[in-house]
Amino acid sequence: EAQVTQNPRYLITVTGKKLTVTCSQNMNHEYMSWYRQDPGLGLRQIYYSMNVEVTDKGDVPEGYKVSRKEKRNFPLILESPSPNQTSLYFCASKGGTTMVEQYFGPGTRLTVT
Amino acid sequence: QQPVQSPQAVILREGEDAVINCSSSKALYSVHWYRQKHGEAPVFLMILLKGGEQKGHEKISASFNEKKQQSSLYLTASQLSYSGTYFCGTEIGGSYIPTFGRGTSLIVHP
Repeated sequence: EAQVTQNPRYLITVTGKKLTVTCSQNMNHEYMSWYRQDPGLGLRQIYYSMNVEVTDKGDVPEGYKVSRKEKRNFPLILESPSPNQTSLYFCASKGGTTMVEQYFGPGTRLTVT
Repeated sequence: QQPVQSPQAVILREGEDAVINCSSSKALYSVHWYRQKHGEAPVFLMILLKGGEQKGHEKISASFNEKKQQSSLYLTASQLSYSGTYFCGTEIGGSYIPTFGRGTSLIVHP
């Protein structure tokens, strides 16, 4: 089944404790992206990657890091999480620059206390 | 820059129609529409490219007015399954990587 998976689905952590949210897709998509969703603010892009070893900042990249060492994986790293990073995070992928439909993962709900 | 969606919320009864608007301050190359049901991930509905072409998806259709930098999503004879949050995403350069608006919550009652 074609899908985007994220782990963990739920995470409660404390301020300053490094964490990684994994994202993996099995559709051989070139493009992958991370979004955060907050009430009333919609979906805001954090980082995106056009292909392996190619990443770029989205609209709200502060406090986040990403890497793209393999085509299928695009982990999101929070080196020192803060409470304002409490949010619902979505990973998405699509087939490339000429493809339009993004496929979203199920989401990761992160709470930083 | 996020596009502006209006209204923020719509409450309907089954069978009624709704229109959701999306506007941008920049010239657009494409407009993307997604729907997110409660507790689920957003799902792609359709894309409109510059040229004013109107596209449809069952009873959901959309238009794109390039000159006004606006798009509208039309939901005809709403069904309970239409409930959710609708996001428009706008894109200016042909990358098909949209910037999403804040969303419009649509609630359809029996």
